[in-house]
Amino acid sequence: DAGVIQSPRHEVTEMGQEVTLRCKPISGHDYLFWYRQTMMRGLELLIYFNNNVPIDDSGMPEDRFSAKMPNASFSTLKIQPSEPRDSAVYFCASSRVGLHYEQYFGPGTRLTVT
Amino acid sequence: DQQVKQNSPSLSVQEGRISILNCDYTNSMFDYFLWYKKYPAEGPTFLISISSIKDKNEDGRFTVFLNKSAKHLSLHIVPSQPGDSAVYFCAANTGTASKLTFGTGTRLQVTL
Repeated sequence: DAGVIQSPRHEVTEMGQEVTLRCKPISGHDYLFWYRQTMMRGLELLIYFNNNVPIDDSGMPEDRFSAKMPNASFSTLKIQPSEPRDSAVYFCASSRVGLHYEQYFGPGTRLTVT
Repeated sequence: DQQVKQNSPSLSVQEGRISILNCDYTNSMFDYFLWYKKYPAEGPTFLISISSIKDKNEDGRFTVFLNKSAKHLSLHIVPSQPGDSAVYFCAANTGTASKLTFGTGTRLQVTL
């Protein structure tokens, strides 16, 4: 299996620009998670989906962040407008019911907003 | 508020010795705990887990201990190897949802 795929791996953008991060989960997994990693807060869950439906978005920091999952094999996390404090590594992860909550992570997207 | 805490941001251990990474939690509803390992420029990977009905789970060189009364768990690595150098995240789940709550991580460096 190819594992969780994320693109781009690195993104550098200017404050105010729109940023779109992409994720392809492992085939057959019905849960998809978006995390943000920072030094201060570690791994924070932003939002997660079950069968393409958002279940919990309480971790989304503010309205500038939005996430979609139009089908079982694709999800996006969008930041509009981006701010320097959004600079972090964003991870996508997927899992399947019955795997004892083990999540499989992608390699992450390092976002730098200048 | 941090429901899962890893109070040691870093740890250095000599090769061959035991590494002990600690994790504390505050939510008494957590009933499943996991450790993830993360190398630079990679995503975290699952290492070992433990259910709240157990107090110990062992997998090769890795053992996780759970003390429910103290709301504390630890990961023991024996013997430590240079390839174990990574960031280790503790995570917890309430069992009613699939989401995990992660700690801030501990960077382990195993020296020669």
